[in-house]
Amino acid sequence: DTGVSQDPRHKITKRGQNVTFRCDPISEHNRLYWYRQTLGQGPEFLTYFQNEAQLEKSRLLSDRFSAERPKGSFSTLEIQRTEQGDSAMYLCASSFQDYNSPLHFGNGTRLTVT
Amino acid sequence: EDQVTQSPEALRLQEGESSSLNCSYTVSGLRGLFWYRQDPGKGPEFLFTLYSAGEEKEKERLKATLTKKESFLHITAPKPEDSATYLCASGGGSYIPTFGRGTSLIVHP
Repeated sequence: DTGVSQDPRHKITKRGQNVTFRCDPISEHNRLYWYRQTLGQGPEFLTYFQNEAQLEKSRLLSDRFSAERPKGSFSTLEIQRTEQGDSAMYLCASSFQDYNSPLHFGNGTRLTVT
Repeated sequence: EDQVTQSPEALRLQEGESSSLNCSYTVSGLRGLFWYRQDPGKGPEFLFTLYSAGEEKEKERLKATLTKKESFLHITAPKPEDSATYLCASGGGSYIPTFGRGTSLIVHP
């Protein structure tokens, strides 16, 4: 068990550019989640997958955000036309399918939009 | 809509000074109450899951308890290395845990 891996750890981009983040979950887990966290706040849900199917997206998620999980393994989160308000820590987590299975998080990608 | 409220927002303790953190939740059909520890610049690290009122779990100096409306994280004789943000999250009828804003704990030597 190597844990959840996220890449890159840090990303600095200019407003208007597109960015893509990658997450490799724990291999035995079939659920994968994306959360966003800003300073002083708890993680905020963005979207989640069960295997390759994206089952839910937050109502707060802009159309500029898209996520994929091809073949039910790794996942990517893309943000198009970045805005300064997108600056945050983007956290990926994975879990088993049980309702009460805890999420295991990676160390996140810190995005700074200048 | 599920809601999780944590208090206090920040807590400063002297080494050895025991205290408790509070997590109040409003969830339809609680399927698990989770506690996490988060160090600066890192992702949350799972600590405990509590499933039903009256349940308790312990790990080193930490003990988590659960009632029908609240959970407490008791820290006994804390050390400076216990300094971190402690997050609680509720798992309800959906598979999407809702997180509180966390309690930032600083333990002074």
